[in-house]
Amino acid sequence: DVKVTQSSRYLVKRTGEKVFLECVQDMDHENMFWYRQDPGLGLRLIYFSYDVKMKEKGDIPEGYSVSREKKERFSLILESASTNQTSMYLCASSPGIEETQYFGPGTRLLVL
Amino acid sequence: SQQGEEDPQALSIQEGENATMNCSYKTSINNLQWYRQNSGRGLVHLILIRSNEREKHSGRLRVTLDTSKKSSSLLITASRAADTASYFCATARTGGSYIPTFGRGTSLIVHP
Repeated sequence: DVKVTQSSRYLVKRTGEKVFLECVQDMDHENMFWYRQDPGLGLRLIYFSYDVKMKEKGDIPEGYSVSREKKERFSLILESASTNQTSMYLCASSPGIEETQYFGPGTRLLVL
Repeated sequence: SQQGEEDPQALSIQEGENATMNCSYKTSINNLQWYRQNSGRGLVHLILIRSNEREKHSGRLRVTLDTSKKSSSLLITASRAADTASYFCATARTGGSYIPTFGRGTSLIVHP
């Protein structure tokens, strides 16, 4: 079974802090994705990566950056957390860009 | 930007009844996927249907695709309380970005 893990289920941070969200997949997938999910807005793509060290902006990249130094690991960075970044963050991986995505359990981030 | 939209937004039924939810999209697609999300968890892939397919089955799930109407439906037969979840469609567009784009979801409640 494909397994996608995220470093934390719940996280509480202060405004202005630098926040790292880590995602690891164990199926050698080329593609990895970061989404945020907010009530009434569904999933919105923040960034995705189709290869090591490669990244592309999604629909809402502002305030975020990403890092993919190894194929299995994709990190989402909030350079200076703000309250409007309080959300559920979901990581996913897929073998092909259009194919089935496998999701992690999510990280619920609260920024105070 | 939202490509697929699920309808209805919320659905409440009794155990044993069938549940039907629909997804409409705007542009031509290569495939359409349905996912389930239990409360507070990550998404789980249910079915992928390609643009040249009209119907697919998986257990109690039946998905149809009508590319002329740009719509898909997900039917869950003989529903169970454990089917209570949010259901999302994701469409991979032809041309431009191929990344599947998720709708806002249908919230299904199955009463025991």
